[in-house]
Amino acid sequence: EAGVAQSPRYKIIEKRQSVAFWCNPISGHATLYWYQQILGQGPKLLIQFQNNGVVDDSQLPKDRFSAERLKGVDSTLKIQPAKLEDSAVYLCASSTGQGDSPLHFGNGTRLTVT
Amino acid sequence: AQSVTQLDSHVSVSEGTPVLLRCNYSSSYSPSLFWYVQHPNKGLQLLLKYTSAATLVKGINGFEAEFKKSETSFHLTKPSAHMSDAAEYFCVVRGVMDTGRRALTFGSGTRLQVQP
Repeated sequence: EAGVAQSPRYKIIEKRQSVAFWCNPISGHATLYWYQQILGQGPKLLIQFQNNGVVDDSQLPKDRFSAERLKGVDSTLKIQPAKLEDSAVYLCASSTGQGDSPLHFGNGTRLTVT
Repeated sequence: AQSVTQLDSHVSVSEGTPVLLRCNYSSSYSPSLFWYVQHPNKGLQLLLKYTSAATLVKGINGFEAEFKKSETSFHLTKPSAHMSDAAEYFCVVRGVMDTGRRALTFGSGTRLQVQP
């Protein structure tokens, strides 16, 4: 099966600019996650979708971050305006959402904010 | 609340020697536990998972982990390290939060170095 696809792989922007990341989950996976992984740390959940509805966005900095999954398939994560501390790898993951189904991760987008 | 503590940020072993990566967890309910591996510039790949069946879980690439409830531990082991095992390893717990919703908590990771 095809894995989770993310683009772009790398992005460099200046602070106060905006940026968007795209994710296409594994076909048929109802649950989609966006994680932020700062260098040297474990991934931190930003937002979780079940189909096109938000399940958990408690750790999403909503003043600058937004995410959508309009048709319940692929998703975009946007940062506007970016800050230096947003430099991280942004990982998308998907799962069937049933029981203890594992998460399948994409290769991530490495964002550098200068 | 739940938490995961990976006791070593770095582990270095020689090729062909055993690997031990330590993980302790805290969870209010019976959790599910996972180990993921992350190679440089790659996403996380599932190594193995424990979901209340057998306490000794076998995963891919010769790795296994033992769930010890009395010690709240889920250490990852491999009898003989290979150069390709060099990567970052994450212990993950999935339990029920105070909100009643199930959520994942990641450890901070252990970087495994394998010396020739």
